[in-house]
Amino acid sequence: DIQMTQSPSSLSASVGDRVTITCRASQDISNYLAWFQQKPGKAPKSLIYAASSLQSGVPSKFSGSGSGTDFTLTISSLQPEDFATYFCQQYYGYPRTFGPGTKVDIK
Amino acid sequence: QVQLVQSGAEVKKPGSSVKVSCKASGGTFSSYAINWVRQAPGQGLEWMGGIIPVFGTTNYAQNFQGRVTITADEFTSTVYMELNSLRSDDTAVFYCARERSSSSFAPIDYWGQGTLVTVSS
Repeated sequence: DIQMTQSPSSLSASVGDRVTITCRASQDISNYLAWFQQKPGKAPKSLIYAASSLQSGVPSKFSGSGSGTDFTLTISSLQPEDFATYFCQQYYGYPRTFGPGTKVDIK
Repeated sequence: QVQLVQSGAEVKKPGSSVKVSCKASGGTFSSYAINWVRQAPGQGLEWMGGIIPVFGTTNYAQNFQGRVTITADEFTSTVYMELNSLRSDDTAVFYCARERSSSSFAPIDYWGQGTLVTVSS
């Protein structure tokens, strides 16, 4: 199975900060990498696919990059509605696997 | 407008089974895959398996192999996830999630609202 790791596991940031989350795959997954946002008590929301493509309706403050094994999610200017947990997921192979998540909270 | 609407919360006894449904609307049902994802309280997302209705093919995670069955009814555009031999640590929210095509390399684009399954004696 392809193992996904994320760092940091949590971070505290202020409104307006630029935030970067890293995701690493245990093997080359090309660009078959997605990012999701989840708020407490809610279903995850799809943000990014193919490592860097925004899902429809997702604001451009979110961006993704990377290929192979190393990927990043960046939020350019953190807003109150962005405080949430972020997960990466590979869809290069089966079983699909998720990273453990990065919780972004208010400093 | 794509929507995935899941069945309601369930309370089950240990050793029993649960069957959760996910009804899709707003797209061509057989053109994409549906996954099931488990989230235990306070934990992360765990992929359980998926089905591609147009091919009738399923894939399951090793952790659930033999205990989970995913089926699809194309007439009602509904996918079902049945989990057997329930244990207390199966208490979780179960989500269905649509992959945007039937390709093996398709990302998730839409999620259901989640179904809480509580396993308790």
